[in-house]
Amino acid sequence: EIVLTQSPATLSLSPGERATLSCRATQSVSSYLAWYQQKPGRAPRLLIYDASNRATGIPARFSGSGSGTDFTLTISSLEPEDFAVYYCQQRSNWPLTFGGGTKVEIK
Amino acid sequence: EVQLVESGGGLVQPGGSLRLSCAASGFTFTSYSINWVRQAPGKGLEWLSYISSTSSAIYYADSVKGRFTISRDNAKNSLYLQMNNLRDEDTAVYYCARSASYRLDYWGQGTLVTVSS
Repeated sequence: EIVLTQSPATLSLSPGERATLSCRATQSVSSYLAWYQQKPGRAPRLLIYDASNRATGIPARFSGSGSGTDFTLTISSLEPEDFAVYYCQQRSNWPLTFGGGTKVEIK
Repeated sequence: EVQLVESGGGLVQPGGSLRLSCAASGFTFTSYSINWVRQAPGKGLEWLSYISSTSSAIYYADSVKGRFTISRDNAKNSLYLQMNNLRDEDTAVYYCARSASYRLDYWGQGTLVTVSS
């Protein structure tokens, strides 16, 4: 099973700041990595797929990069609605696996 | 508009069974694979099971293999998860999520399953 480790666990930032979230895999997942956003009491929402492709309707301030074992989600300038938990997920091997999440909180 | 609506959650005793349903609308159900994902209270996401569009491919997480069964009825645009021999650690919100090349592009709102005596 591929284990995804996200860091940091919590990121405390102010609106307007840049957020950089990391996801590291225990073995190569090529570019088969997605990122999701989840707000309290809500279902996750797909943000980025195949490492760097924004899903439909996702603002340009969200970007993804990386390949192999190291991936990054960047939010260029945090909006108030971006404070949430973010998960990475790999689709390279079964079982599909998620990272443990990074909470982006208001500083 | 793509919609996935889960139902069937509730309180069940350890060792009991429950059947979850997921009703799909707003897209061609027969063209998509579907997954079940759960989230224990205050925890992260855990993928549970996948079923292809024609039910020809089915996968399970080790944590539920042999206890849970995924199925679908394409005539009814519906997905199911039969859960047997439930344990305390199965307490979670259960989501169905549509697969587009194994990325989960649309999710339902979830249904809560509580396993407790």
